[in-house]
Amino acid sequence: AQSVTQLGSHVSVSEGALVLLRCNYSSSVPPYLFWYVQYPNQGLQLLLKYTTGATLVKGINGFEAEFKKSETSFHLTKPSAHMSDAAEYFCAVSGRSGGSNYKLTFGKGTLLTVNP
Amino acid sequence: DTAVSQTPKYLVTQMGNDKSIKCEQNLGHDTMYWYKQDSKKFLKIMFSYNNKELIINETVPNRFSPKSPDKAHLNLHINSLELGDSAVYFCASMSSRNTEAFFGQGTRLTVV
Repeated sequence: AQSVTQLGSHVSVSEGALVLLRCNYSSSVPPYLFWYVQYPNQGLQLLLKYTTGATLVKGINGFEAEFKKSETSFHLTKPSAHMSDAAEYFCAVSGRSGGSNYKLTFGKGTLLTVNP
Repeated sequence: DTAVSQTPKYLVTQMGNDKSIKCEQNLGHDTMYWYKQDSKKFLKIMFSYNNKELIINETVPNRFSPKSPDKAHLNLHINSLELGDSAVYFCASMSSRNTEAFFGQGTRLTVV
């Protein structure tokens, strides 16, 4: 079984400020972890992922996340927010679920607003 | 070229009707999914197909029937539509060698 908890359904920051979106996961097997972004009326776009190896993962648009096994966390950060970062962000965990394919389980999402 | 494409993008229909949503991927992936996103943006998996075989069925009502004619297509047919079916439905695909899922742009279904 797997689950994702995103702390804070809405985060508001000023342009240029640090962005921190929190994600904790639960998984009975070693997890693969993802952050996706959804802009209004759009599909989901992968920001970054952790599978194995280096625990600090860099993604697109200046975002990064660190996998901390001891804390079961995968928080998303960006040093300086841009207006264009305003969107819904989803943390997801995957693990095997029957057969050979993976099942992605999503958190409930965090809406990021960026104030000028 | 769009990697995962869904049609239609918008669908407005009356209660009781039957409708279909089509999904096609040109990535050569062997696994495809349907997800439902409700009004609170919560994404929940509905079905997963691997090489045209149903792998995951997450307690979705029988009114929902996925069909995969080949590895590149996964269509969703919905019978007797209800108000609660109103949502955005996303198709996604994934290669078994790579855990990254690629999503379509979504189909916004509104049942009136």
